[in-house]
Amino acid sequence: DQQVKQNSPSLSVQEGRISILNCDYTNSMFDYFLWYKKYPAEGPTFLISISSIKDKNEDGRFTVFLNKSAKHLSLHIVPSQPGDSAVYFCAAWGRRALTFGSGTRLQVQP
Amino acid sequence: DSGVTQTPKHLITATGQRVTLRCSPRSGDLSVYWYQQSLDQGLQFLIQYYNGEERAKGNILERFSAQQFPDLHSELNLSSLELGDSALYFCASSVQGSGSYNEQFFGPGTRLTVL
Repeated sequence: DQQVKQNSPSLSVQEGRISILNCDYTNSMFDYFLWYKKYPAEGPTFLISISSIKDKNEDGRFTVFLNKSAKHLSLHIVPSQPGDSAVYFCAAWGRRALTFGSGTRLQVQP
Repeated sequence: DSGVTQTPKHLITATGQRVTLRCSPRSGDLSVYWYQQSLDQGLQFLIQYYNGEERAKGNILERFSAQQFPDLHSELNLSSLELGDSALYFCASSVQGSGSYNEQFFGPGTRLTVL
């Protein structure tokens, strides 16, 4: 039973354009959501987060949107840069542990 | 560099064997988490220790066990290994252990290959 789903395994965008990564969840008890970025041969690194009481959080080029009624969150990267090419994981905190999605591989073409 | 170290980086072993993965948390962090990432999957939470005590359990098989020592480093023991245990194993650490989210810092992982 996948409680956090990332339905797009991969995404390719042109440098300078917007990247939109999506994530859906099923557990209403999740109260904090995060995006992690992972390069090959490295562990995931924290990118941006959002509390369940908010609907938007912005940090530079990265913005996370949360739609609680739809149980959906998205990560927007504007403008996308080649260095953003990585695997992005959506994760949700449910009091005891993080539940991760399966990841979306973003490729930003120069 | 997250400050979390994991050894070894790579481990190749045979079915039926037993291995131990080691994790040293960031300085000052009391909580250690173990995750398993199988091919093209997300990270699956296995187990958490906080200041030497087991705090939370996830999808950890009975063949797997973990402990956290007084110096706060942690070991994940995997026994009677099967081909399906081949995966990346990540350790993460955080300051606190429960309640509201505390940022978790991940190590580089140990890649286990079972032949």
